[in-house]
Amino acid sequence: DAKTTQPTSMDCAEGRAANLPCNHSTISGNEYVYWYRQIHSQGPQYIIHGLKNNETNEMASLIITEDRKSSTLILPHATLRDTAVYYCIVRPLIRYDKVIFGPGTSLSVIP
Amino acid sequence: EAQVTQNPRYLITVTGKKLTVTCSQNMNHEYMSWYRQDPGLGLRQIYYSMNVEVTDKGDVPEGYKVSRKEKRNFPLILESPSPNQTSLYFCASWGKGLADSSYEQYFGPGTRLTVT
Repeated sequence: DAKTTQPTSMDCAEGRAANLPCNHSTISGNEYVYWYRQIHSQGPQYIIHGLKNNETNEMASLIITEDRKSSTLILPHATLRDTAVYYCIVRPLIRYDKVIFGPGTSLSVIP
Repeated sequence: EAQVTQNPRYLITVTGKKLTVTCSQNMNHEYMSWYRQDPGLGLRQIYYSMNVEVTDKGDVPEGYKVSRKEKRNFPLILESPSPNQTSLYFCASWGKGLADSSYEQYFGPGTRLTVT
C-alpha cells in the first residue's frame, strides 16, 4: 500500500495558485517527501522534494507541516500546461528500497 | 544531458513470444527500477536493483525477470508474455543528476506493450 494519500482529482482556474495536498502520517524520520507529475503518458517528471523545511524552486513550492504528517505542493500561477497527474511519495534519500506510488491527483487547469 | 532511455517505445507481440525491453542511464546511478502503469492503478513497481548483480522484487514481479550485469543497463525480460502484461512500462534510475546535487528519480519515456 502507498504510504501517502491524495485526493483523486482537483480543478484549478488558470492563473490561480494550485494547492495539492498529501497526507503521509506514517512518514519516518529519514524519509523525504517527493513530488512528481506525469503529463499524459509521458515519464513522470521530478518537481520538488523536502525533509522538514519548506522548499521552493522554479516550478513549485513545497510546504511541509511541522509534524511532517502532511504536505502541500503549490503551483503559484497554474497554466494549462500544468494539467497532469501529480504524485506524492515518501522515501529515504540514500537507502534503496521498494518505492510505492499511489494513484496521485489528477489536476485539471481550467481556462 | 541526464537521460534514461528505453527501447522499444512501442511493441506489439503475441502470447508466449519472449521479449526484452532495454533500459539504459548515463548518470552512473546505482539504483534502477521498472514500473508498469495501468489505467486507474498508478505506477506499480515490478523490480528494482540496488547495484550491479543486486535485484529485488517490487509489488508486481510475477511474469517478469530482470538482470543487472552492468551499472548503466537494466533490461526487463518477459519470458512468456501474456495479455495481462499489456501495459505502459517505465524504467527509472535514482540518484544525483549529471550537474545537480539533489537526489531524484529520473524516468524513461515509457514503452507501450501490447500482447495479443
